[in-house]
Amino acid sequence: KAGVTQTPRYLIKTRGQQVTLSCSPISGHRSVSWYQQTPGQGLQFLFEYFSETQRNKGNFPGRFSGRQFSNSRSEMNVSTLELGDSALYLCASSLAGGADTGELFFGEGSRLTVL
Amino acid sequence: GDSVTQMEGPVTLSEEAFLTINCTYTATGYPSLFWYVQYPGEGLQLLLKATKADDKGSNKGFEATYRKETTSFHLEKGSVQVSDSAVYFCALSYSGSARQLTFGSGTQLTVLP
Repeated sequence: KAGVTQTPRYLIKTRGQQVTLSCSPISGHRSVSWYQQTPGQGLQFLFEYFSETQRNKGNFPGRFSGRQFSNSRSEMNVSTLELGDSALYLCASSLAGGADTGELFFGEGSRLTVL
Repeated sequence: GDSVTQMEGPVTLSEEAFLTINCTYTATGYPSLFWYVQYPGEGLQLLLKATKADDKGSNKGFEATYRKETTSFHLEKGSVQVSDSAVYFCALSYSGSARQLTFGSGTQLTVLP
């Protein structure tokens, strides 16, 4: 069974630009969560989507947004990029249904560098 | 707010040594506790979990017990292998927002042959 797929794996942007990252969850998984990983702040929760609706949101500015499509694929967008947005962005999927054990399945991440 | 504190790394051990990675938490309620592991070049994977006080999670020879009195969830393994070299993350979440994990800073473990 294919795992969580994130694209692109690496990208470089400049300050002020915007970026869109994509996540394809494991087949059958309906929940997608996004995390930011940096050396200074560690792993921080961005938001979770379930059935195309944002269910939970972390403490990030409005420049960070996301959405989920009917096939459960998700995208996150960061507008007006700042140097501090340089990070590894991780996507995680889970069943979120009757058989859900609460386990998150993580992708390998999209590494964003802002110059 | 909630937080998770892990022992500082990196940790370097010889093969077959005993491993302990300390994890303590601060929580306003009664969270579930997790250990996730990140092997080189791979995404995070759930190693084990415990959902209530005194529960013991175990997997692949690793164990951790949910201690409410000491707010701890220390990870232990009796005999580590080279293949256990990875970064280990302690985390907590609540049942109402199970996908919103609060992570510790991670502990890098290197096991030498």
